[in-house]
Amino acid sequence: QKEVEQDPGPLSVPEGAIVSLNCTYSNSAFQYFMWYRQYSRKGPELLMYTYSSGNKEDGRFTAQVDKSSKYISLFIRDSQPSDSATYLCAMILISNFGNEKLTFGTGTRLTIIP
Amino acid sequence: NAGVTQTPKFQVLKTGQSMTLQCAQDMNHEYMSWYRQDPGMGLRLIHYSVGAGITDQGEVPNGYNVSRSTTEDFPLRLLSAAPSQTSVYFCASSYSGTLIYNEQFFGPGTRLTVL
Repeated sequence: QKEVEQDPGPLSVPEGAIVSLNCTYSNSAFQYFMWYRQYSRKGPELLMYTYSSGNKEDGRFTAQVDKSSKYISLFIRDSQPSDSATYLCAMILISNFGNEKLTFGTGTRLTIIP
Repeated sequence: NAGVTQTPKFQVLKTGQSMTLQCAQDMNHEYMSWYRQDPGMGLRLIHYSVGAGITDQGEVPNGYNVSRSTTEDFPLRLLSAAPSQTSVYFCASSYSGTLIYNEQFFGPGTRLTVL
């Protein structure tokens, strides 16, 4: 079983719709959570970064973390064709020795249809 | 600032050939890393460096070598390419190796095919 599970999609939605992207994880030691956006043939870029359970909003994007369920989500409101990309979840755990381990999900490919 | 740059963009090798993937950053970042991205696997850490002269292994280091002689450059060497090394390779950098406080900036990637 992978430590971080993410539905690869592809996911296609019409322009203006609300998009929900999700990841689940198995290790409760994960404490920091990120969403990256990766356009085709480009490197990933950090989109959202959260620590605590709850919601964090940035413009049209909302990151949600539910540590009790080991579940994180990214919501995109008023989706635009420019949001078409692959979205990667990522999370960091801190070991007992203070080492950081960063683990990425496999990514969900999203297409916004004009 | 150019950010993180990688060369070449594409490369085709034959099994057993060697090559070096180049990575450079102009942000004076101490931490640099190499990842590979494969379908269904996510990004996996190959090697990383916390500063000039200091390197360490990541999750999947076998078949790859690195060195860090300057702050700016972090080349990745494939000594004897194998088909299993067919992948997209990304270089990344951040101000320091404390990932929880420092954003990683990724390069555009190198697409490598080993025949």
